[in-house]
Amino acid sequence: DAGITQSPRHKVTETGTPVTLRCHQTENHRYMYWYRQDPGHGLRLIHYSYGVKDTDKGEVSDGYSVSRSKTEDFLLTLESATSSQTSVYFCAISDGREQYFGPGTRLTVT
Amino acid sequence: EDQVTQSPEALRLQEGESSSLNCSYTVSGLRGLFWYRQDPGKGPEFLFTLYSAGEEKEKERLKATLTKKESFLHITAPKPEDSATYLCAARGSGTYKYIFGTGTRLKVLA
Repeated sequence: DAGITQSPRHKVTETGTPVTLRCHQTENHRYMYWYRQDPGHGLRLIHYSYGVKDTDKGEVSDGYSVSRSKTEDFLLTLESATSSQTSVYFCAISDGREQYFGPGTRLTVT
Repeated sequence: EDQVTQSPEALRLQEGESSSLNCSYTVSGLRGLFWYRQDPGKGPEFLFTLYSAGEEKEKERLKATLTKKESFLHITAPKPEDSATYLCAARGSGTYKYIFGTGTRLKVLA
């Protein structure tokens, strides 16, 4: 299995609070991704990174920011969580070919 | 606009009843067509990559094929443990973003 971990695995937070999700890899892959998965929508790209400090927006980036200060870590921040951001969040890594996914973080915003 | 569409949304099969899942794609300059398996509560698990029309890949009871417009995942003599959601994704030229379909939920009955 690809070495990808996500933390926390579950989180419940209140509307308006900041939240940071962490993705850590041990594969030294260049590309890292954050997706959200919701019923009826499949996997939707939030942001991705193509190198340290190099990031780009995906199709659902509003309300989210990311940072990558080291090859192995990619952080997703919800500056002020809203109920519409309740979802399952997946991190993925790639060396430019197939992607490998982490176990996911289930986030509930109340 | 790049797009990936999967059909059917859901499929119920009896054990041993072979069938195919469809993935239609519209992507400029295909750089890879990817199949994943996702079990409930887990991240997608990589199955296959196909790069050019006519290519085929096999793994146990699964075989993936690719044409210029679509890919098929053929399941031969399925077993209950093949029950999962199968996701298809495509990557086009000039980008390292992946476009995902919404998946096919497969249920194999004993």
